[in-house]
Amino acid sequence: GNSVTQMEGPVTLSEEAFLTINCTYTATGYPSLFWYVQYPGEGLQLLLKATKADDKGSNKGFEATYRKETTSFHLEKGSVQVSDSAVYFCALAPNRDDKIIFGKGTRLHILP
Amino acid sequence: DTEVTQTPKHLVMGMTNKKSLKCEQHMGHRAMYWYKQKAKKPPELMFVYSYEKLSINESVPSRFSPECPNSSLLNLHLHALQPEDSALYLCASNPGLARNEQFFGPGTRLTVL
Repeated sequence: GNSVTQMEGPVTLSEEAFLTINCTYTATGYPSLFWYVQYPGEGLQLLLKATKADDKGSNKGFEATYRKETTSFHLEKGSVQVSDSAVYFCALAPNRDDKIIFGKGTRLHILP
Repeated sequence: DTEVTQTPKHLVMGMTNKKSLKCEQHMGHRAMYWYKQKAKKPPELMFVYSYEKLSINESVPSRFSPECPNSSLLNLHLHALQPEDSALYLCASNPGLARNEQFFGPGTRLTVL
């Protein structure tokens, strides 16, 4: 079946630190992969996506590369800000399927 | 218009009340969704409408009743809820076809007393 595993949080970093949040997946076929971000008290926002192997999604300084050989889609940012504090969800959408499978989420705290 | 809107933002209701949540999108997306999200958990899918027809019901109790009056509007009717139904209810839409991704609204924070 389809599933997403992401690193447990919370993750606490100092401002300007390098961020990696690991995400691996299990899927049949060729799913699309996503990172969503949820700020406190808000809905989910699509942060970035990749639709095929070796695609790199990027937005707001965040990047993730679709690695089919390692079934991974790790989220990275070179220099985090306090405003990046949020919950980050890795997700996959199987082809020709209306559902999205979410990981459990990783809470990120950035200290000034 | 490039967003999904939800009303109300907050709702408090008693267990005998009837209320409705509303969701709108004007992006021409073909699919719309209801999710329930409890604190510190990922969203749980409840219902999917595709081309205004209910395509997925994730075994949701009948006290939740979805309705899709047209391609832009999605309602969730609530009746005889329980305190454990208190959660953030999220609506999402999906363009579909070659572009399979979901866009979420800000949610309705529901409290059942």
